[in-house]
Amino acid sequence: DVKVTQSSRYLVKRTGEKVFLECVQDMDHENMFWYRQDPGLGLRLIYFSYDVKMKEKGDIPEGYSVSREKKERFSLILESASTNQTSMYLCASSPERQRNQPQHFGDGTRLSIL
Amino acid sequence: AQSVAQPEDQVNVAEGNPLTVKCTYSVSGNPYLFWYVQYPNRGLQFLLKYITGDNLVKGSYGFEAEFNKSQTSFHLKKPSALVSDSALYFCAVRDLWAGNNRKLIWGLGTSLAVNP
Repeated sequence: DVKVTQSSRYLVKRTGEKVFLECVQDMDHENMFWYRQDPGLGLRLIYFSYDVKMKEKGDIPEGYSVSREKKERFSLILESASTNQTSMYLCASSPERQRNQPQHFGDGTRLSIL
Repeated sequence: AQSVAQPEDQVNVAEGNPLTVKCTYSVSGNPYLFWYVQYPNRGLQFLLKYITGDNLVKGSYGFEAEFNKSQTSFHLKKPSALVSDSALYFCAVRDLWAGNNRKLIWGLGTSLAVNP
């Protein structure tokens, strides 16, 4: 079974802090994704990565950056946290060589910025 | 433009009755179609997919979905709903003809409430 692990289930930070959200997958997937989920807005893609050190902007990249130094790990960074970044953050991974396979999700990090 | 529509924000059904959660899509080519379920404070779980072949696909927990190419729909169904099916359901599409086809295009989700 594919396992995607997000480092924290719940996180509380203060405005202006630099925040790191970590995600690790154990299935050697090429693609990794960061989403945020807000009521009524569904899942919105922040960034994704298709290889080590490669990244592409999603639909709402402003205020975020990412890092993928190793294939299994994809980090989301909030450079200077703001209250409007309070949200549920979901990480996912998928294999590119098997394009018909679904994305697999972690359990999410509920982030509150005070 | 590529898009996925889930026309109902909420669906209510009585336990034991059949349920349908609707999804329609607009993409340029032949899509890969997926359904996911999300329970409170959890990530999304994959339910089923349509890639090619038989238009009726079966998935986890007794769910099935019917692909209709002419109506560009992929409705999720279950013959007999359980209270434990109450959750948020997402439809997603992968458009292999898109310029960037690694991403999924997501519907906004449908909240299913099964009443005892």
